[in-house]
Amino acid sequence: GAVVSQHPSWVICKSGTSVKIECRSLDFQATTMFWYRQFPKQSLMLMATSNEGSKATYEQGVEKDKFLINHASLTLSTLTVTSAHPEDSSFYICSARLGTGYSPLHFGNGTRLTVT
Amino acid sequence: AQTVTQSQPEMSVQEAETVTLSCTYDTSESNYYLFWYKQPPSRQMILVIRQEAYKQQNATENRFSVNFQKAAKSFSLKISDSQLGDTAMYFCAFMKLAGGGADGLTFGKGTHLIIQP
Repeated sequence: GAVVSQHPSWVICKSGTSVKIECRSLDFQATTMFWYRQFPKQSLMLMATSNEGSKATYEQGVEKDKFLINHASLTLSTLTVTSAHPEDSSFYICSARLGTGYSPLHFGNGTRLTVT
Repeated sequence: AQTVTQSQPEMSVQEAETVTLSCTYDTSESNYYLFWYKQPPSRQMILVIRQEAYKQQNATENRFSVNFQKAAKSFSLKISDSQLGDTAMYFCAFMKLAGGGADGLTFGKGTHLIIQP
């Protein structure tokens, strides 16, 4: 079946530094990728939608300059958390979709970010 | 905007019993999908079942079935013959279809299901 690889699976960084998380679709071309954030024991919240070759669409309340999303190819989207702070510590999950309309969503395994 | 409500933060049943997880949603859209996802401790999101809003027939996948009441905006999940491996967080999710594309998922807060041996 379709596989989405997310890397790294966990990362610890110091406050003020930037962290990049990669989301790759391994065996299909993902026209759309989504980034979610999940706090402990809470639900997934959609952060942004990225389409290959165009700017990401951010959900209300998500800081565009803090969470930089790049979708340069049909198989790779990246989320960069800039100038990270402890409150950015969370679980970040990407998902990818092939095509438009309804097509199955494939989720990555997530990245646990801890900012110290 | 749409909202998804799961009113049961946690449920616990004995192995082999049947359990129903509730979900209600609110939307003005007419074209959408509904999903149940399972998230075990590994935190991998696993699709359990999906329902197209235009279909009246309730979706079924082996031991999992839904009761989709479109007018009431209700979408409950029934797990029959529950197994220890069913222990996980279960999220109800909504996806709007519009203009040839599809939005990201809107999730409920989740229900932590515990299957007791």
